[in-house]
Amino acid sequence: AQSVSQHNHHVILSEAASLELGCNYSYGGTVNLFWYVQYPGQHLQLLLKYFSGDPLVKGIKGFEAEFIKSKFSFNLRKPSVQWSDTAEYFCAVNRDGGYNKLIFGAGTRLAVHP
Amino acid sequence: GAVVSQHPSWVICKSGTSVKIECRSLDFQATTMFWYRQFPKQSLMLMATSNEGSKATYEQGVEKDKFLINHASLTLSTLTVTSAHPEDSSFYICSARMEREQFFGPGTRLTVL
Repeated sequence: AQSVSQHNHHVILSEAASLELGCNYSYGGTVNLFWYVQYPGQHLQLLLKYFSGDPLVKGIKGFEAEFIKSKFSFNLRKPSVQWSDTAEYFCAVNRDGGYNKLIFGAGTRLAVHP
Repeated sequence: GAVVSQHPSWVICKSGTSVKIECRSLDFQATTMFWYRQFPKQSLMLMATSNEGSKATYEQGVEKDKFLINHASLTLSTLTVTSAHPEDSSFYICSARMEREQFFGPGTRLTVL
């Protein structure tokens, strides 16, 4: 069965530290990849997405992610985090042209200390 | 654009009653909507795929008779939790698909007493 793995369940950083959150998926076909963020008490928001083309994708709020097909990975990065980045981050994958269901990873809870 | 709303945002009900949650795409038409359930500090679990004008497709382990889904128009899908019990208490989130993306509603917190 298709699955999405997020390796870090909890991450604690100080402001200005760099961030990298891992995401691996198990499906071998064509995939679309997403990172969502859920701030405390708020709904899911799309950070960035990859459909095709340049594997380095830039999203909102200074986030970026790199699709490495050979590693089935789509890691999220930010060079310098802020306290306001404290949130839960979800990686999600869908396949077959994007019309099928999204499979979510377990999520990574990020806490940024000032 | 691409705004999805849910109503109500929270609901408290007694055990044994039924609760209906609405999901609307406000500025686009969505032939496909999805219903998720999220337990505290956990990820989203897909419950079912709602297709306009046809029956919903339920994920394995989700009781279709308990979680009734109706997608009567291109902008509205409803989830009815029938004969709700305390274990149905959760955060229910819908999304609406537009092309290759899903846009998420703010969620509905259901508490069954």
